[in-house]
Amino acid sequence: DQQVKQNSPSLSVQEGRISILNCDYTNSMFDYFLWYKKYPAEGPTFLISISSIKDKNEDGRFTVFLNKSAKHLSLHIVPSQPGDSAVYFCAASEADGGATNKLIFGTGTLLAVQP
Amino acid sequence: ETGVTQTPRHLVMGMTNKKSLKCEQHLGHNAMYWYKQSAKKPLELMFVYNFKEQTENNSVPSRFSPECPNSSHLFLHLHTLQPEDSALYLCASSQVRGKGYTFGSGTRLTVV
Repeated sequence: DQQVKQNSPSLSVQEGRISILNCDYTNSMFDYFLWYKKYPAEGPTFLISISSIKDKNEDGRFTVFLNKSAKHLSLHIVPSQPGDSAVYFCAASEADGGATNKLIFGTGTLLAVQP
Repeated sequence: ETGVTQTPRHLVMGMTNKKSLKCEQHLGHNAMYWYKQSAKKPLELMFVYNFKEQTENNSVPSRFSPECPNSSHLFLHLHTLQPEDSALYLCASSQVRGKGYTFGSGTRLTVV
């Protein structure tokens, strides 16, 4: 059973516009959420994160929104740039007192930013 | 060299072969992980090592055998694999109580 879901396998956006990537989760014990970006032939790299005590975290062009009641988070990229074209993975970890930091990942969304 | 380094980058092996994947990190992290990425599937956690001790085995078949001789090195020993084991195998590291992983570039494994 998939605990972290990214229902859109791909997204195409024009350069300069906003990209919105969505992620849903089922486990109410998740308390920390991350977005990773992956280029072909490279490993995923950390992009931005959010703790469950917040509903928004912003870092430059990237903003993550968390709606705990809906078990939904989204990543906004504005303005989108061609270099943002990559696969974006949503990940989550459980509130376990910090005993482990096991991350559960979604299937990824391929973002294509058109010049 | 910094970051997380995985070798080899590509590997083609027969079903009767034995091979090993290697992961090395120079970040001072004390937790290391193996993930498997298959097409159209989530990254699947395989193994977790905290302070060289295995703390998670996510129902991985015994044909995959991990080894963590120290906090900086992690191996994945492979034997009698199946074609469906073909995937990208990713190593990551972190602090045990940290929340962010640093990934290697992965080993693209093809089983023929």
